Amino acid sequence: NAGVTQTPKFRVLKTGQSMTLLCAQDMNHEYMYWYRQDPGMGLRLIHYSVGEGTTAKGEVPDGYNVSRLKKQNFLLGLESAAPSQTSVYFCASSTAPGSGSFYEQYFGPGTRLTVT
Amino acid sequence: ILNVEQSPQSLHVQEGDSTNFTCSFPSSNFYALHWYRWETAKSPEALFVMTLNGDEKKKGRISATLNTKEGYSYLYIKGSQPEDSATYLCASFSNFGNEKLTFGTGTRLTIIP
Repeated sequence: NAGVTQTPKFRVLKTGQSMTLLCAQDMNHEYMYWYRQDPGMGLRLIHYSVGEGTTAKGEVPDGYNVSRLKKQNFLLGLESAAPSQTSVYFCASSTAPGSGSFYEQYFGPGTRLTVT
Repeated sequence: ILNVEQSPQSLHVQEGDSTNFTCSFPSSNFYALHWYRWETAKSPEALFVMTLNGDEKKKGRISATLNTKEGYSYLYIKGSQPEDSATYLCASFSNFGNEKLTFGTGTRLTIIP
């Protein structure tokens, strides 16, 4: 039982390049989230999904796209990377409400992205 | 309060001493309050999830209380140990149905041996 995994762990991009971050969970969770973590800013929600085939915008969605084609996977795409997207990206998952967990989040190990 | 606010931002505590810090959150449409422990180079892990006014939860030397009417939660650590050094995040769910947490910026705790 791996929990939440993220690939890659590290990546360096040039401005304008594109990439996709993959998040996978094996806990059969309905909800999945992408956050970015910047110094002094805490965790900020980029996009989230409440089930397979659904996505929704979070607090800082601009410059990112997401897809949830399979329940266990949540992909975060950067179409044209910018230096402002240099950050550590965390994926998380949780059960749906009504299951008693009240959205307790299980986090992946993070992806450190640098855009030069 | 519109956002989730934590204080202090950082704290240095002598090993063996007890300490506490605060999380303030919007009290309207409150649904749940989470505490996470985040060690350097790792990912956040849930400590407590609290939902009811007056809730008190305990895990070993760490405990938390919740006041949903006034919108605050305290995290207490008794007899601090070096392994308690971490950033402690709180996060609030309000407006049930939005399906997303709002995180504070954390309290960075350093235990001095």
